[in-house]
Amino acid sequence: KQEVTQIPAALSVPEGENLVLNCSFTDSAIYNLQWFRQDPGKGLTSLLLIQSSQREQTSGRLNASLDKSSGRSTLYIAASQPGDSATYLCAVSEGASKIIFGSGTRLSIRP
Amino acid sequence: DGGITQSPKYLFRKEGQNVTLSCEQNLNHDAMYWYRQDPGQGLRLIYYSQIVNDFQKGDIAEGYSVSREKKESFPLTVTSAQKNPTAFYLCASSIWASGSYTGELFFGEGSRLTVL
Repeated sequence: KQEVTQIPAALSVPEGENLVLNCSFTDSAIYNLQWFRQDPGKGLTSLLLIQSSQREQTSGRLNASLDKSSGRSTLYIAASQPGDSATYLCAVSEGASKIIFGSGTRLSIRP
Repeated sequence: DGGITQSPKYLFRKEGQNVTLSCEQNLNHDAMYWYRQDPGQGLRLIYYSQIVNDFQKGDIAEGYSVSREKKESFPLTVTSAQKNPTAFYLCASSIWASGSYTGELFFGEGSRLTVL
C-alpha cells in the first residue's frame, strides 16, 4: 500500500533563505507527483506536476524534482518571502482514481 | 475564468439532518472527486466519478452519497448515517486519461461543515 510522508511537519525560516521541502513515497510505480499549496481555510492550489518520465519541473522561484528509484521528491523554494507561508502538500498518483496525499509541511517565513 | 466552485463555504447542520454540498466546474474535465480533510491528516477520498452517470466509492464513502447527472456538477450529500461529519470538504477535478498519463488535479475553495 502506497504511503506518502512529508517531514518535517512544520518549518520556520527567515525571509530570503532558500529552502527544500521533502516528500517520500513507498512504491515507485507512480504516474505522477503533484505539489500543492494550501492557505488556512482555503482549497489546494496546484504548484507543479511532474510526470513519471520527468526528473524536474520549474515555475518561477519553485523547482520540484522527482527520483522514483529512491521514492523521493523535493520542492525547492528560492529566496523565500513571507507570502510563501502556507502548508505544502505532495500527492502521488497511481492512476486517476488513486491519488495519495501526504499530511503536509506547514511553512512559516519570518520577516 | 475557468475553475471549480464549491458552495456553501460554511454550513452548520443539526444531528440527524442530511446536507448537500455543491461542486460545479467549467474546466470541461471528465473526472471529479470529493475529499475530506481533517486537522493534521492528509486528504481522504470519499467518491470519484470518471464520466456522467458513473461514480465509485473511495476510502471513506460510508455515510455519503453523490450523483453525476451533468459533466460539470458533482454534488455530495452528507447523510445522518455519517458518524463524524464535521470536517473540511474539498472538490477536485482533472482530465480523465488512460495509460500512463493522468491529468493535473484542480481544487475548489472547500466547504466547512460543522455539526451542532
